Amino acid sequence: AQSVTQLDSQVPVFEEAPVELRCNYSSSVSVYLFWYVQYPNQGLQLLLKYLSGSTLVKGINGFEAEFNKSQTSFHLRKPSVHISDTAEYFCAVSEDRGSTLGRLYFGRGTQLTVWP
Amino acid sequence: DAGVTQSPTHLIKTRGQQVTLRCSPKSGHDTVSWYQQALGQGPQFIFQYYEEEERQRGNFPDRFSGHQFPNYSSELNVNALLLGDSALYLCASSLGVGAYNEQFFGPGTRLTVL
Repeated sequence: AQSVTQLDSQVPVFEEAPVELRCNYSSSVSVYLFWYVQYPNQGLQLLLKYLSGSTLVKGINGFEAEFNKSQTSFHLRKPSVHISDTAEYFCAVSEDRGSTLGRLYFGRGTQLTVWP
Repeated sequence: DAGVTQSPTHLIKTRGQQVTLRCSPKSGHDTVSWYQQALGQGPQFIFQYYEEEERQRGNFPDRFSGHQFPNYSSELNVNALLLGDSALYLCASSLGVGAYNEQFFGPGTRLTVL
């Protein structure tokens, strides 16, 4: 069965420090990978996605992620965080099963808190 | 260009009641998916609608049902509400049902069951 594991439920960092939010998945088929951000009392906003091609993908707000197929990971990174990056981050996966039906499997989320 | 909109924003119901949540997809999108996000959890897939039909369903009981209209908007209905149905309900729209298609999320409806 498909599963997504976000290894850290909370990540506190100081402003301008680098951060990495970890995500591992399990699947028996090829996958597409996504990172979403959720600010308080809001819906989800897509940060970046990996569909194919280069394993390093860049997204909005200076975030990037690297797909590692052998380790089944898709970790999110930012070299220098801002106070405004404080939010909940979700890793999500959809499976390519040859059909046209897409659904997202989400991890439990990582709360990133940036301190001044 | 309006994004995904949901109504109402908040809703309070009591156990055993029924509720209907509404979603209008992003302009040009034809597929709507519904997710349930319990407090402190990631969103869980409920079902997906395309061409006015339920195309796939997650692990939710039949108390959860839906509908898609010809204008692509959608409703989520929950019957016989339980305390455990309290959650944020998110609607997402996409162009087509492909696994690679980006899903755009609405702000959600916060349902509280007392």
